[in-house]
Amino acid sequence: GEDVEQSLFLSVREGDSSVINCTYTDSSSTYLYWYKQEPGAGLQLLTYIFSNMDMKQDQRLTVLLNKKDKHLSLRIADTQTGDSAIYFCAESIWAAGNKLTFGGGTRVLVKP
Amino acid sequence: DTGVSQDPRHKITKRGQNVTFRCDPISEHNRLYWYRQTLGQGPEFLTYFQNEAQLEKSRLLSDRFSAERPKGSFSTLEIQRTEQGDSAMYLCAGEGGQGAYNEQFFGPGTRLTVL
Repeated sequence: GEDVEQSLFLSVREGDSSVINCTYTDSSSTYLYWYKQEPGAGLQLLTYIFSNMDMKQDQRLTVLLNKKDKHLSLRIADTQTGDSAIYFCAESIWAAGNKLTFGGGTRVLVKP
Repeated sequence: DTGVSQDPRHKITKRGQNVTFRCDPISEHNRLYWYRQTLGQGPEFLTYFQNEAQLEKSRLLSDRFSAERPKGSFSTLEIQRTEQGDSAMYLCAGEGGQGAYNEQFFGPGTRLTVL
């Protein structure tokens, strides 16, 4: 079955870049997503990448996909205190209903 | 604001009681998904609808769980004879509409506590 794994915790100084990593096992994945969850809140879609791409940039966010190694990363440039949250990566297969399989989340703490 | 609302936001119930949650996506969302998130974990898929048709149910969805989307708009998730292990955040997500056919937008969730 599908499995998505992330490191548990990342601490970063305000103004630095953050890099959050994710690995997945299903080579049939169509899309890979990054969601942000703040305390007590639902999930906010940050960005996603189609599986035949290797990079996508959206303002401060850069997604890199290494399909051979099944490795996904999210880089946040100029990290702000408002970026402190839990970040989830997720994968889906469009032909299988596009249901999301999530990793366990990475808690990012931004220190002033 | 994703435009997806859920009601109630919090529910405390006693073991053995039945509970029902509601999700209202935006009108363009032809697909609607339910997920469950326990503390410290990522969300897990429960079930999804394409318009009013329920197309898939996870093995996590025991016989005590039932979901409906009668007119292809709002959806309800009912849990009968609740157990303490049902305590979790229940999230729904809508998908569909122009230019966003593969993007799922989540509601704020319903936090269930079973005593």
